[in-house]
Amino acid sequence: QQPVQSPQAVILREGEDAVINCSSSKALYSVHWYRQKHGEAPVFLMILLKGGEQKGHEKISASFNEKKQQSSLYLTASQLSYSGTYFCGTGEGNFNKFYFGSGTKLNVKP
Amino acid sequence: DVKVTQSSRYLVKRTGEKVFLECVQDMDHENMFWYRQDPGLGLRLIYFSYDVKMKEKGDIPEGYSVSREKKERFSLILESASTNQTSMYLCASADGFPYEQYFGPGTRLTVT
Repeated sequence: QQPVQSPQAVILREGEDAVINCSSSKALYSVHWYRQKHGEAPVFLMILLKGGEQKGHEKISASFNEKKQQSSLYLTASQLSYSGTYFCGTGEGNFNKFYFGSGTKLNVKP
Repeated sequence: DVKVTQSSRYLVKRTGEKVFLECVQDMDHENMFWYRQDPGLGLRLIYFSYDVKMKEKGDIPEGYSVSREKKERFSLILESASTNQTSMYLCASADGFPYEQYFGPGTRLTVT
């Protein structure tokens, strides 16, 4: 039930792009993306809902393929501030069926 | 800004002790959550509450209980702490599904 994230870790140079993937074996109603910097609480990035609605705070884009039960987070022209661990969370409709992935650690170097 | 606070950043308890972790949010959110975070396992949901006195089990409720007597406060209780409950505990709140969760700073609990 826990979604699978890939890759587990990625190292980038400033300005490079990255894609983080999240897949589930269950039909999904929503996908959430969060970023956690070392020693800090996870912070919301984006929600993607079945049907195409999206809600996000930052200039980070993502896609949600409902048929394949997959989501991808696109980090373009990465900045040092993008470093951290990215988690996807997937929901089947209720919070008691909401699961986070194990995370993707992103390190952006100068 | 939404603020979620947790009673302690670090806590050390002995095996068998009863442990209370408290979480308070200031935005009148309906939903509150308790997660534990372990390396390589991500965040796992222990319990959540969708209203005062209402609770539902998450993925790993064994060994834990919760209490929500007031809308702003959600407590996690370890009835008899064990060493395998050593972990980072994160509280979160949300204003209704499927909206974003706001996390507290976490409590790092060590059970010796």
